[in-house]
Amino acid sequence: AQKVTQAQTEISVVEKEDVTLDCVYETRDTTYYLFWYKQPPSGELVFLIRRNSFDEQNEISGRYSWNFQKSTSSFNFTITASQVVDSAVYFCALSEAGDSGYSTLTFGKGTMLLVSP
Amino acid sequence: DGGITQSPKYLFRKEGQNVTLSCEQNLNHDAMYWYRQDPGQGLRLIYYSQIVNDFQKGDIAEGYSVSREKKESFPLTVTSAQKNPTAFYLCASSRVGFRETQYFGPGTRLLVL
Repeated sequence: AQKVTQAQTEISVVEKEDVTLDCVYETRDTTYYLFWYKQPPSGELVFLIRRNSFDEQNEISGRYSWNFQKSTSSFNFTITASQVVDSAVYFCALSEAGDSGYSTLTFGKGTMLLVSP
Repeated sequence: DGGITQSPKYLFRKEGQNVTLSCEQNLNHDAMYWYRQDPGQGLRLIYYSQIVNDFQKGDIAEGYSVSREKKESFPLTVTSAQKNPTAFYLCASSRVGFRETQYFGPGTRLLVL
């Protein structure tokens, strides 16, 4: 079973529309971290946000906002007033402590966002 | 400026050939990672290292090898045993610990001739 599910494979919007990218995760740990990354056409992953499992406050950064709900195991990402430059693939990822003492990131399959003028 | 560099940007491999992808970081991070990305897929972990001269296999290590002789460098060799090497390869680094953010390099696209 997938640990991180991004059910939306591709979303197309017109500029200035608001758009929400969904992320559902699965873990047995009580302490974990969630991340969002942006991958523009150039390919490099750009870090957007990190949240820990004890902080359920929503976060806003400019046009970006994140809604973390532990009750539904979701960490959704909203872009307000989308712009063409927001066109990219967005990845949600989960970090757990792990049994071996080593920790790694588990990525969802990503959501491709296309914003047209 | 601190960051992660990967070279080359594009790499072509002939059948039966081993090729090595370079990854260097000057962020003073102890942990480094290699991921493979296929079209429409998320990132899959190949190998990772949390200290010099030590590394662990990830989910898809078969056909790959790594070394970690220096803190700053974590080269990945794609061996001839990797039958489907065409993919986008991303290197990342972080401080050690599951709460730490991984930062990524620009990637290397490997194509088979």
